[in-house]
Amino acid sequence: QSVLTQPPSASGAPGQRVTISCSGSDSNIGSHPVNWYQQLPRTAPQLLISNDNHRPSGVSDRFSGSKSGTSASLAISGLRSEDEAVYYCAAWDGNLSAVMFGGGTRLTVL
Amino acid sequence: QVQLVESGGGVVQPGRSLRLSCAASGFAFKTHAMHWVRQAPGKGLEWVAFIWSDGLNTFYADSVWGRFTISRDNSKNTLFLQMNNLRADDTAIYYCANDPPYSGWSFASWGQGTLVTVSS
Repeated sequence: QSVLTQPPSASGAPGQRVTISCSGSDSNIGSHPVNWYQQLPRTAPQLLISNDNHRPSGVSDRFSGSKSGTSASLAISGLRSEDEAVYYCAAWDGNLSAVMFGGGTRLTVL
Repeated sequence: QVQLVESGGGVVQPGRSLRLSCAASGFAFKTHAMHWVRQAPGKGLEWVAFIWSDGLNTFYADSVWGRFTISRDNSKNTLFLQMNNLRADDTAIYYCANDPPYSGWSFASWGQGTLVTVSS
């Protein structure tokens, strides 16, 4: 069981907006930045959002991150078929002195 | 552009050792912290280990503590993972990733991964 909790699946129709949640605690999300990764089928993960809400160069502005207290969210607007992937949240945990990943959320575009 | 190339994976028997390497280019390697992350077949991502840019401090997941050692050679832009006493549940794709300064422990770029299979 992961320290960071994500729903195992999410779905939406093309053009819709979906959000993926990531729940943690004071020692991780509550105290440290949250990062989000996208893993397309059969590829290495790639950074999507850093430091809670920063989009690295080249990442579409359809992706956005937010955080409140011990929870974070990834929002994807204008859903496209190429967004089908597994999305992971991650954060440093100060109590464990470790980076913790969420279990991943598989996004299906209907 | 940033390039990370892992090598050293393969099939190994339980209890044996393996050393992974990650050759880095396209960025100031000596200024970036570096991480190893693994992914067991069909499973999610698991962080394995982390080393400061100067190599003076290291951190490990509980699952590998005492068996794995992360190190780096900044003169050769190379990251290593020494894996001892391997177990079947260490079977995974191992990725290296760079962590730029002030990035909040984000893994900015990833290698393509190297597969480690622990089996008798």
